[in-house]
Amino acid sequence: RKEVEQDPGPFNVPEGATVAFNCTYSNSASQSFFWYRQDCRKEPKLLMSVYSSGNEDGRFTAQLNRASQYISLLIRDSKLSDSATYLCVVNRGATNKLIFGTGTLLAVQP
Amino acid sequence: DTGVSQDPRHKITKRGQNVTFRCDPISEHNRLYWYRQTLGQGPEFLTYFQNEAQLEKSRLLSDRFSAERPKGSFSTLEIQRTEQGDSAMYLCASSELGGDSSNYGYTFGSGTRLTVV
Repeated sequence: RKEVEQDPGPFNVPEGATVAFNCTYSNSASQSFFWYRQDCRKEPKLLMSVYSSGNEDGRFTAQLNRASQYISLLIRDSKLSDSATYLCVVNRGATNKLIFGTGTLLAVQP
Repeated sequence: DTGVSQDPRHKITKRGQNVTFRCDPISEHNRLYWYRQTLGQGPEFLTYFQNEAQLEKSRLLSDRFSAERPKGSFSTLEIQRTEQGDSAMYLCASSELGGDSSNYGYTFGSGTRLTVV
């Protein structure tokens, strides 16, 4: 079983839709949590950190449930430019080593 | 350029040849990481340096792989006797060591795409 599990998708949604991605992690010692975005054949880029209180950045909202070891990302009013792979990432702590999920592919359709 | 630089961007090599990749991290970042990514998978951790010290190596890093970071600045990743299974994107990333380092995300380089034929 992978340490970080995500539904690989693809999620095909129309422009303007709201879409949610979920992720679970198995190591309860994980300390920090992130969502990264990766465009085709490009490097991953940090989208947002995820905090226990939940946090929002424009159309993007991230939530963390430590008890359930569950992380989510909500994208409202999807744009064509949101089409990418979204990677769920956890940090084990002292070494700042990041563990990546396999990613969820989002395709926003016109 | 203040980002993470990797060289070369692409490398095609014949099976059995040795290859070396270079990574120049963000200058004030003292942590440097190498990851490997294959199609349809997320990046997989290979190794990690804090300054010049290699502090952790993944079991994925067979004895054909070696990484160095002399003087705590740039890093090199060498693969000896390449195999077709080594074909992947090799990503370098750097991060800060700060008071709350566990919350820092990485900055990745553009990667080196290796194809072993």
